[in-house]
Amino acid sequence: EAGVVQSPRYKIIEKKQPVAFWCNPISGHNTLYWYLQNLGQGPELLIRYENEEAVDDSQLPKDRFSAERLKGVDSTLKIQPAELGDSAVYLCASSRGGLDGNEQFFGPGTRLTVL
Amino acid sequence: QKEVEQNSGPLSVPEGAIASLNCTYSDRGSQSFFWYRQYSGKSPELIMSIYSNGDKEDGRFTAQLNKASQYVSLLIRDSQPSDSATYLCAVRASWGKFQFGAGTQVVVTP
Repeated sequence: EAGVVQSPRYKIIEKKQPVAFWCNPISGHNTLYWYLQNLGQGPELLIRYENEEAVDDSQLPKDRFSAERLKGVDSTLKIQPAELGDSAVYLCASSRGGLDGNEQFFGPGTRLTVL
Repeated sequence: QKEVEQNSGPLSVPEGAIASLNCTYSDRGSQSFFWYRQYSGKSPELIMSIYSNGDKEDGRFTAQLNKASQYVSLLIRDSQPSDSATYLCAVRASWGKFQFGAGTQVVVTP
């Protein structure tokens, strides 16, 4: 079974530039998560999708961050414009969903550096 | 107060010994608990999930849950140098949100 796929793995941009991250979850996983992880910290949830619906985006900075999950499969996270403080690892995870499908599996992450 | 708390470490463990990691959480209604291992520069990898009070064993790993005390722990028996990593505790709160602790760094010394 293929794992969660993310691209790109690394991205270096200048501040004020836009950037986008892509995630393909494990086949059959209805729930998709985007996390941000800073060095020495645990992952922090940005947004959670149940199929196409964003059910928890309370921690997503909506002035500059946006996300979409068209057709309930792949997802894209965008930052526009990027700020220096956005430098971090962006992780995508997926789970089967439902009451018994809480186990999350992470992709390799995208390491973003904003100069 | 953080919703999920772990000692940051580092926890130094001699090879072959037992590593004991602790995690406390604030939401009394939480039902799902997870331990992840994260090697430096890598993404978190699921080790164990536990949903009921008591112990759950999987190989050299044992997860222990005490909902009354809002406490979950992970024991690593016969610690190996390959167990050197950061261990993240994750809790699914009663309203569905996942919270991660900051992680405990474990260093297994030969």
